[in-house]
Amino acid sequence: GAGVSQSPRYKVAKRGQDVALRCDPISGHVSLFWYQQALGQGPEFLTYFQNEAQLDKSGLPSDRFFAERPEGSVSTLKIQRTQQEDSAVYLCASRATGSTGELFFGEGSRLTVL
Amino acid sequence: RKEVEQDPGPFNVPEGATVAFNCTYSNSASQSFFWYRQDCRKEPKLLMSVYSSGNEDGRFTAQLNRASQYISLLIRDSKLSDSATYLCVVTGSGGSNYKLTFGKGTLLTVNP
Repeated sequence: GAGVSQSPRYKVAKRGQDVALRCDPISGHVSLFWYQQALGQGPEFLTYFQNEAQLDKSGLPSDRFFAERPEGSVSTLKIQRTQQEDSAVYLCASRATGSTGELFFGEGSRLTVL
Repeated sequence: RKEVEQDPGPFNVPEGATVAFNCTYSNSASQSFFWYRQDCRKEPKLLMSVYSSGNEDGRFTAQLNRASQYISLLIRDSKLSDSATYLCVVTGSGGSNYKLTFGKGTLLTVNP
């Protein structure tokens, strides 16, 4: 497809389970971002990749959160030992080289931790 | 102080009304500014960039005041389809200009 693709769209996890969320960015986009959006809030920055390099992970809330993009295209956000406060929509976005503004977002992965 | 603060809303207006949203940001060195729109349970999408000289796109006008660190969005002749959450967005400065910081968003409902 032409847009950013995320999977799964919905994930229900029991507290303590590990989850993995996948993002397939727009082909050719070197910049990739993960954001977390809690209910009623704006997206909060988690991490940023340029190709395979993770240049900023300052927004990851704890060491339970880990992101990778080993080949510079598909990215995975992994959350270990999920907690209820991890319940949110996880948005992936990509941006074209040279662009300073427009992020193209995927539809998000909605995580519910019971 | 949060990096980007917006009117809390929600705004409920009749069709045809003019509505204005305000936003302030804390980093005086921020380089770029945007308004994004997010429909219910959908992803954010770029509505328009915001320039110091002000810019207009049809019924939408955006303004930036760098001295006051203030951004605004004006919607004229509101349509039902304008109902959405409007997100004020600011980039970082210097080496962090890749990062977009979002406000909490202001919910607009346009009523028939």
